Amino acid sequence: DAGVIQSPRHEVTEMGQEVTLRCKPISGHDYLFWYRQTMMRGLELLIYFNNNVPIDDSGMPEDRFSAKMPNASFSTLKIQPSEPRDSAVYFCASSLVPQGNYGYTFGSGTRLTVV
Amino acid sequence: GQNIDQPTEMTATEGAIVQINCTYQTSGFNGLFWYQQHAGEAPTFLSYNVLDGLEEKGRFSSFLSRSKGYSYLLLKELQMKDSASYLCAFSNDYKLSFGAGTTVTVRA
Repeated sequence: DAGVIQSPRHEVTEMGQEVTLRCKPISGHDYLFWYRQTMMRGLELLIYFNNNVPIDDSGMPEDRFSAKMPNASFSTLKIQPSEPRDSAVYFCASSLVPQGNYGYTFGSGTRLTVV
Repeated sequence: GQNIDQPTEMTATEGAIVQINCTYQTSGFNGLFWYQQHAGEAPTFLSYNVLDGLEEKGRFSSFLSRSKGYSYLLLKELQMKDSASYLCAFSNDYKLSFGAGTTVTVRA
């Protein structure tokens, strides 16, 4: 089991550019979550999917953010246009059942810097 | 609304015991989680409580009181590798809401 795989690990981009973050969940996990972590706000849930369908996107900060899950093994989080305040670590997590002793399994994260 | 409070920092000596308290407020509750996060790494699952009481897992134990909205994580026989941030989180409708984390520093 390779765990949750995120790419890229680091991304530096200029303000106004489009950024796409990628995630491959653990095979068989029906739930996928995108989180953002900053020093000021901690870990914030942006959006989550169940069986590839977006269930709750209330945490998506603005229309500049969008997320897709075209199939069970791949999800993207896109920011267009990017702004310096979007700089953060973005984590993808997946879960078989988001309760009980399974919890979430997090990917290694993408550290995004917008200059 | 939803809210989670936990101390910002704690320091303890190698071999000692540390207790990290967490209080929470939420309209819906499906369980309480504790995660460990080393600097620059992803959070990793430590424990889960859904019923009141104590759950023990080796050197780590977690306690929950649903009526009080209170949990604690107990770390025993501290080791240097336990220096990390410990995140309290509650589950509501399959979503985990995290506290800001408690940074534990273990000193020799």
